[in-house]
Amino acid sequence: DAKTTQPPSMDCAEGRAANLPCNHSTISGNEYVYWYRQIHSQGPQYIIHGLKNNETNEMASLIITEDRKSSTLILPHATLRDTAVYYCIVRVASVGTGANSKLTFGKGITLSVRP
Amino acid sequence: DTEVTQTPKHLVMGMTNKKSLKCEQHMGHRAMYWYKQKAKKPPELMFVYSYEKLSINESVPSRFSPECPNSSLLNLHLHALQPEDSALYLCASSQVLRLNEKLFFGSGTQLSVL
Repeated sequence: DAKTTQPPSMDCAEGRAANLPCNHSTISGNEYVYWYRQIHSQGPQYIIHGLKNNETNEMASLIITEDRKSSTLILPHATLRDTAVYYCIVRVASVGTGANSKLTFGKGITLSVRP
Repeated sequence: DTEVTQTPKHLVMGMTNKKSLKCEQHMGHRAMYWYKQKAKKPPELMFVYSYEKLSINESVPSRFSPECPNSSLLNLHLHALQPEDSALYLCASSQVLRLNEKLFFGSGTQLSVL
């Protein structure tokens, strides 16, 4: 899997948009970008994933640059409950089992939402 | 039901004990995973089961023994653990073992080895 680089931490004000960056400069053409988050004392939670196009769901938006070397997760209106570690992961998009099917977490970015 | 249930939530065991961690899901998922997470570190993959068969073993020591008795249940048997094995053990499941599948995680079992 391609390696990702995220800043160790960031904060934002409650009610404002939180923009979480991720660099994946070695990403291949068939690798998806995934975001998970882990709130303290809980298991990781899936947020969103994408390949080339920008994606939006009820939780967040994912903006992927045209060269796919970086992406940004946007939480449009951050709340205190969004305080968590956010993991950006890239995975090979091929059907099959074995090594290509592993979800490998990096260090993540700690988002602190302040009142 | 979109839950992955892990029991117990907390476990304290001695180095000579034998214990088991249990994970259950009723979403009809056919892939199940064990991850280990040390404090302030990201989760690390241990095992992956696909259709009740072991698909990936990340060179985990034999004192950890996984078992998938049916499609809803995943166990992790523990024997002769070391204090450095103390960690949060997370179970996850996905519909199948495929790369664009979402993983659903349980809340984990916090294990302390004395």
